[in-house]
Amino acid sequence: DAGVIQSPRHEVTEMGQEVTLRCKPISGHNSLFWYRQTMMRGLELLIYFNNNVPIDDSGMPEDRFSAKMPNASFSTLKIQPSEPRDSAVYFCASSLYGSSNQPQHFGDGTRLSIL
Amino acid sequence: QQQVKQSPQSLIVQKGGIPIINCAYENTAFDYFPWYQQFPGKGPALLIAIRPDVSEKKEGRFTISFNKSAKQFSLHIMDSQPGDSATYFCAAGWSGGTSYGKLTFGQGTILTVHP
Repeated sequence: DAGVIQSPRHEVTEMGQEVTLRCKPISGHNSLFWYRQTMMRGLELLIYFNNNVPIDDSGMPEDRFSAKMPNASFSTLKIQPSEPRDSAVYFCASSLYGSSNQPQHFGDGTRLSIL
Repeated sequence: QQQVKQSPQSLIVQKGGIPIINCAYENTAFDYFPWYQQFPGKGPALLIAIRPDVSEKKEGRFTISFNKSAKQFSLHIMDSQPGDSATYFCAAGWSGGTSYGKLTFGQGTILTVHP
């Protein structure tokens, strides 16, 4: 069974450019989470979706960040315009929303560097 | 009240030692406490989880101890091996309302096990 698939694995771009990160959750999972990991702030939840609907975006740092989930098998996280402080590893995770907490399965992340 | 505080930040033990990682939380509504293990270049992966109706859970060499009154829980790794060298995250979640499925992560502990 394929796990959570993220692309690209690495992204290096210049400040001001638009960045789009992609995620394919595990088939059948209906919750999707976007995290950002840095040494200073650890693992931060940015936004999560249940059944393709954004439930909590309180972790999105500012309006430059946006996320969409047009269908159950695809999500994007977009940064426009990008800034050097956005450099981090971005993880997508999915889980099965049900009657009890289900484990979140993480992808291997996108390492983003903004020059 | 959403925070989960994890200590120590880093830990070095010899092979066969028993590293212990501690976490504390404030929100008594939390009812799910997982531990995640992360290797370099990979996403976090669920290691073991506990609910507050039990005080201890063992899976192989990994044990979670849970103290509900103190609002603390800890991970013990018995007979640690160099392959256990990784970053460990505790987390907490709860089953209520719109926060269902959402996890709050600790800052992480970098564990090094020397041969």
